[in-house]
Amino acid sequence: KQEVTQIPAALSVPEGENLVLNCSFTDSAIYNLQWFRQDPGKGLTSLLLIQSSQREQTSGRLNASLDKSSGRSTLYIAASQPGDSATYLCAVFWYNAGKSTFGDGTTLTVKP
Amino acid sequence: DGGITQSPKYLFRKEGQNVTLSCEQNLNHDAMYWYRQDPGQGLRLIYYSQIVNDFQKGDIAEGYSVSREKKESFPLTVTSAQKNPTAFYLCASFKGDFNQPQHFGDGTRLSIL
Repeated sequence: KQEVTQIPAALSVPEGENLVLNCSFTDSAIYNLQWFRQDPGKGLTSLLLIQSSQREQTSGRLNASLDKSSGRSTLYIAASQPGDSATYLCAVFWYNAGKSTFGDGTTLTVKP
Repeated sequence: DGGITQSPKYLFRKEGQNVTLSCEQNLNHDAMYWYRQDPGQGLRLIYYSQIVNDFQKGDIAEGYSVSREKKESFPLTVTSAQKNPTAFYLCASFKGDFNQPQHFGDGTRLSIL
């Protein structure tokens, strides 16, 4: 079964810390992996997309890595800010499925 | 600006009633998706459509129905057969290019009266 798991479910850090969110998936036959941000009661905003052939993508203070062989991706957030507080979800687009599977997300709280 | 519009933002359903959630996109995307999100959980796929006049069941299609008569529109009907419809519903679209991300609407929150 194609599954996506995110650990931890919740994370609280002081402002300024660097942090890592984890995403693991059970099948390496993927088209891409996408990281999203969701604010309470809102839709999802795409942060980074890593294609199957890529190892990492960067956008500002965010860096996402992909290791297909181990079925893992990490989202690194540098110098965290209170405005980074949100739920972060990863989604894997499977090769033969025509659809994505989402993890349950990690809810991040950055304290001033 | 291009995007996805979901309406209404909040919807209430009475017992035995069918309700329809609207999703419209002007991104010229071929594929559209409906997801359900319950509190503290990720998204679960209800239905998806990769082309006009064609759609497939997702992981939790029971009690839901869809149509795709136009490329821009993918309405979702929550039928009375769905016994636990209270959730946040999200619509997404995708160009079909795996270098491009999925785009999401702002969601519809459905509650039972």
